[in-house]
Amino acid sequence: ETGVTQSPTHLIKTRGQQVTLRCSSQSGHNTVSWYQQALGQGPQFIFQYYREEENGRGNFPPRFSGLQFPNYSSELNVNALELDDSALYLCASRRSSSGANVLTFGAGSRLTVL
Amino acid sequence: GDSVTQMEGPVTLSEEAFLTINCTYTATGYPSLFWYVQYPGEGLQLLLKATKADDKGSNKGFEATYRKETTSFHLEKGSVQVSDSAVYFCALSENYGGSQGNLIFGKGTKLSVKP
Repeated sequence: ETGVTQSPTHLIKTRGQQVTLRCSSQSGHNTVSWYQQALGQGPQFIFQYYREEENGRGNFPPRFSGLQFPNYSSELNVNALELDDSALYLCASRRSSSGANVLTFGAGSRLTVL
Repeated sequence: GDSVTQMEGPVTLSEEAFLTINCTYTATGYPSLFWYVQYPGEGLQLLLKATKADDKGSNKGFEATYRKETTSFHLEKGSVQVSDSAVYFCALSENYGGSQGNLIFGKGTKLSVKP
């Protein structure tokens, strides 16, 4: 079975710009979540999507938004980029019917904001 | 709110040494507990998990026991290998009547194993 794939792997933006990160979930997984991992820190939950709707959100401002498509792929959009948005962005997927919250993570998209 | 605290690294060990990485948590309910591992340039991989008190998770020689009385989930391995060099994250997920909350991670502990 295929894992979680993310694109792009690296990108550089300037402050104030907008960015879109993409994720393809593992086959059979209908729930996707996004995490931000700053350098030297643990991942922090941004939001989760199920059936194309956001059904959970962490402590992130509205300029962080997302989409989930019928094929369970997903996007993370960040508007008005700030320097502190520089981080590794991780996409993770799971089956909603799975018991404990066992996520399959992608390798991440590393965003640098200058 | 819920949180996870794990020992700070980096931790440097010689091959075949014993490993312990401490992890304690704060939670309002009865969370599931996890250890994830992140190898250089890769995403996080689930190493092991435990869903209720006194459960022991194990995988690839690593073990951790869910201790509710001490709110701990320490990771151990009897004999580390160079290939175990990675960053290890302790995490929890609250259980809400059968549904799962998001993962809350510790800051990670970098392990380096020398030959």
